[in-house]
Amino acid sequence: GQQLNQSPQSMFIQEGEDVSMNCTSSSIFNTWLWYKQEPGEGPVLLIALYKAGELTSNGRLTAQFGITRKDSFLNISASIPSDVGIYFCAGRNSGGSNYKLTFGKGTLLTVNP
Amino acid sequence: EAGVAQSPRYKIIEKRQSVAFWCNPISGHATLYWYQQILGQGPKLLIQFQNNGVVDDSQLPKDRFSAERLKGVDSTLKIQPAKLEDSAVYLCASSFVRTGNYGYTFGSGTRLTVV
Repeated sequence: GQQLNQSPQSMFIQEGEDVSMNCTSSSIFNTWLWYKQEPGEGPVLLIALYKAGELTSNGRLTAQFGITRKDSFLNISASIPSDVGIYFCAGRNSGGSNYKLTFGKGTLLTVNP
Repeated sequence: EAGVAQSPRYKIIEKRQSVAFWCNPISGHATLYWYQQILGQGPKLLIQFQNNGVVDDSQLPKDRFSAERLKGVDSTLKIQPAKLEDSAVYLCASSFVRTGNYGYTFGSGTRLTVV
């Protein structure tokens, strides 16, 4: 099946620093999604990307859909303590009869105040 | 708008016992998904429903897992008998359209511990 490699696995940063994480795939995706998951909660959608090369921002978050359609990255600028959580990338294809998401293993972000 | 409701939040059972989880999706969402999230990993799709029909259950261990979505609204996921490796968070999600173009909305999950 499709594999997503997400890196880094974890990050420990100081408040105010910028953060960058990325996701690569062994195959092409038509959609890339970035989610954040906090302890005891389900993942919450942050940004959705639908076209190769697309660059989309949501507040301090910026994500890009790689032009090869096999990768995506997420940047967080000027991190704050509430950015703590696990960030997941997810890819989706629209072929066949379903549109299931394939998730990466996540990046655990810790922000030191 | 109410979110995706799941119950129970936590469940501890012994191996070989059975367990059931319940999910009520966002009103009007035709597509419902059950995901399994093992500690330290991303969610993995178990089954996808479109209304009350199964779209994808290719990764559902059918010898022990079953799911139904009667009347195309709420859904139940059952494990019988449970194994130690079934310990995980079981997430339910729903989307408005089949393509889920606006991403899924996830519930808070049920944390299952099999001892």
